[in-house]
Amino acid sequence: QTVVTQEPSLTVSPGGTVTLTCASGTGAVTSGHYPNWFQQKPGQAPRALIYSISNKDSWTPGRFSGSLLGGKAALTLSGVQPEDEAEYYCLLYYNGAPVFGGGTKLTVL
Amino acid sequence: QVQLVESGGGVVQPGRSLRLSCVASGFTFNNYGMHWVRQAPGKRLEWVAVIWSDGSNRYYAGSAQGRFSISRDNSKNTLYMQMNSLRGEDTGLYYCARARNAYSYGFEYWGQGTLVTVSP
Repeated sequence: QTVVTQEPSLTVSPGGTVTLTCASGTGAVTSGHYPNWFQQKPGQAPRALIYSISNKDSWTPGRFSGSLLGGKAALTLSGVQPEDEAEYYCLLYYNGAPVFGGGTKLTVL
Repeated sequence: QVQLVESGGGVVQPGRSLRLSCVASGFTFNNYGMHWVRQAPGKRLEWVAVIWSDGSNRYYAGSAQGRFSISRDNSKNTLYMQMNSLRGEDTGLYYCARARNAYSYGFEYWGQGTLVTVSP
């Protein structure tokens, strides 16, 4: 069972910048893993944010960006807003099979 | 706008079966692959299965292989998941999600989910 690892929790101040990461249990994350990012607020369905490393959906706020950083996939939020408090999941593909990370609970405080 | 509405969840005993449905609207259903994703209470998302736009290919997570069957009726804009031999660990919220293409890549739109509880 392939493991995708994220920080369990992070805290950021409003207006600040935070980077969430997504690591692969098989080694460095590459473009071939087609990293995706999702946001999930309590009681809501997940919402797509980023696909294929850095492509944004039409509804994704400009303060969200995706990248590869130090062998991991990364989601950076710049100018964090209170409404960004949520659980964030990454997803990586392994030979076509999608695997979700454990999620990062982002607190805006 | 794109809408995905799941139904069919409920409380079922271990070993029994359940069929989930997902009715799609707001897009050309037969142009897109469709997924089922589940989430146990307080746990991470887990991909379950995908079916290509024309139903020609289906793929399953190991936990679903042999017990679950994904299907679709493009004339009814509906996705299905037949779940047999249910276990306690199958308990969770089941989401349908639309892929970004006709095959299996991506999870662009999500429904609100239907809750499955497997309990004696």
